[in-house]
Amino acid sequence: GESVGLHLPTLSVQEGDNSIINCAYSNSASDYFIWYKQESGKGPQFIIDIRSNMDKRQGQRVTVLLNKTVKHLSLQIAATQPGDSAVYFCAEKASGTYKYIFGTGTRLKVLA
Amino acid sequence: DGGITQSPKYLFRKEGQNVTLSCEQNLNHDAMYWYRQDPGQGLRLIYYSQIVNDFQKGDIAEGYSVSREKKESFPLTVTSAQKNPTAFYLCASTFGIDSNQPQHFGDGTRLSIL
Repeated sequence: GESVGLHLPTLSVQEGDNSIINCAYSNSASDYFIWYKQESGKGPQFIIDIRSNMDKRQGQRVTVLLNKTVKHLSLQIAATQPGDSAVYFCAEKASGTYKYIFGTGTRLKVLA
Repeated sequence: DGGITQSPKYLFRKEGQNVTLSCEQNLNHDAMYWYRQDPGQGLRLIYYSQIVNDFQKGDIAEGYSVSREKKESFPLTVTSAQKNPTAFYLCASTFGIDSNQPQHFGDGTRLSIL
């Protein structure tokens, strides 16, 4: 099976509860942030993004919060479902640069 | 459906052998990237390409080579000089190298040593 998720922090939540996954980013110049979901054996899938001129952005069942003061990003998933079980990681990027910097990820386990 | 196709899904390399991983996109993206994913680590950039016939080394380019002869294609060769090639390799693309857009990823190739 896919071994990408080994040694990752794990968040276990009951089905139907809300999940909060956190990410600390490293570059003060970063002004664009992305959350990805990666299922076992697959490539990362885009969930939601946010630019630094915003503090909060909402999608379908997901919300991203950005705190530039402490360089912190969070992903909130409402009413977590079994299909949400995956590894979630954040990415940051500074405008005008080519480089995306990726976090190591958090494994989300949804308990029935 | 538009997307990125990586092949093969699994690849085995013998010692001293070069192997090539395929990446094709039909998203009309200019920029393409190759990443290596190891357990417990964030994605690490191997090579990137802004445009056809141009590519640049990323953070861990040693032991790898690429070409960009067509906009749609960005193959990665893992050479025998790469002493620890066992990993999950991901190809990605975006519209422009410096645009703030999410990268689109393929479903990866898992490379193992025989």
